[in-house]
Order: sequence, then structure tokens, then C-alpha cells
Amino acid sequence: DTGVSQDPRHKITKRGQNVTFRCDPISEHNRLYWYRQTLGQGPEFLTYFQNEAQLEKSRLLSDRFSAERPKGSFSTLEIQRTEQGDSAMYLCASSRQENQPQHFGDGTRLSIL
Amino acid sequence: SQKIEQNSEALNIQEGKTATLTCNYTNYSPAYLQWYRQDPGRGPVFLLLIRENEKEKRKERLKVTFDTTLKQSLFHITASQPADSATYLCAPASGAGSYQLTFGKGTKLSVIP
Repeated sequence: DTGVSQDPRHKITKRGQNVTFRCDPISEHNRLYWYRQTLGQGPEFLTYFQNEAQLEKSRLLSDRFSAERPKGSFSTLEIQRTEQGDSAMYLCASSRQENQPQHFGDGTRLSIL
Repeated sequence: SQKIEQNSEALNIQEGKTATLTCNYTNYSPAYLQWYRQDPGRGPVFLLLIRENEKEKRKERLKVTFDTTLKQSLFHITASQPADSATYLCAPASGAGSYQLTFGKGTKLSVIP
């Protein structure tokens, strides 16, 4: 099966701008996750979808962040009014069920000027 | 709070030797634990999942152990090769009803020819 696909791979934007990332999970996976990773750290959980329902959001996900998965397939993560601290790699993962391996995409690297 | 420690930030090993990476966790009892490999600029790649009722799991040159008494998992790569050089991440998960992975910072393994 094709893996998890993320777009774009890189995004450079000015502080204060809005950005949106897209994730296409493995086709038969109904669980979808977003993580954020900064240099030298492991990925940190942001949010989780089961089909189109967003079931959990981390405290890391401030009001400026919103995620959707409108038809239970692809997902988008939007950051409004970006700040320097938002610079990170944003990773998407999917799994067939809970307690099954999560498979990651190659992420979107966000750089805030 | 939950804490995960991977034994060292960096580990250098001679080609052909066995690499052993350690993951210790505190303040929770994961029902399963996953190990991932991550190359620079790429997303984590799933390697092995071991459940709390399993002591050991193998896949080709890889072996994972899970000691719930010691709260520790060991990850072994036998007959290591330069191509095994990467950062290895451990990620325990709480299990039923819990889907988010909590990652350690990772251990950067360098296999020297």
C-alpha cells in the first residue's frame, strides 16, 4: 500500500501568516494522528481522529491551531497567526486500529521568518 | 508526569557488533511499546511493536525486549551495518482507549565501518 503522504514538504512563511498542511493517510486506515517534532526531540502528540471525529486534542494545540478530517479520509492542519515558536516538523500518522502500529509520513517542515 | 528516557543521545559502534539501545519509562504502565527509526529530514519508520504480555520480539536482525517490572525496553541490532546508522525512538503507549504515543528523545546510532 502507498504510505502516508504529506504536502507540502517544506513551508516558509512570515510571522503572522496562516498556513495549512495536508495529510493523506494509508487508504484503509481510519485512525489519523498529528504530531509536532522540534530539533533533538521526539514527536509530540497534537491531535487524533477516528474517521471524521476529532477525539482528542493535546494541550499543545492552542486556539490558533485547528485540524479537520471532513470525510474521514485526508486531514488538514491549519495554524493561524503563526509565531516563531511554531517552527517545527509537523508529522501525520495513521493506523488501522488503536493499539496497532502508527505509520508516519515524512512531515511538513515549517519555518517562520 | 510520564517520563521516557533513552539511554544516551548518541551511540557509536563498530560494524558487525551488536548495538543495544535502552528505553526506560516512569510514572505509567504502557500496554505496548513501539520502536521507530528516523533518518534526517524524514518521518519515523515503524520497526517493531511489543505488548506487555510479550517478553521478546524479533524481526530479522532486530530484537526487542519488554520488562514491565524494570519498566524498561531494550532494542538490539545484531551484525550492525553502516546502513543502520539513524536515530532510534521508543514510544510506549498506555493501551486500550489510549492512542497517543509518547516518544523519547531518541538515540542516534552511528555504525562505523
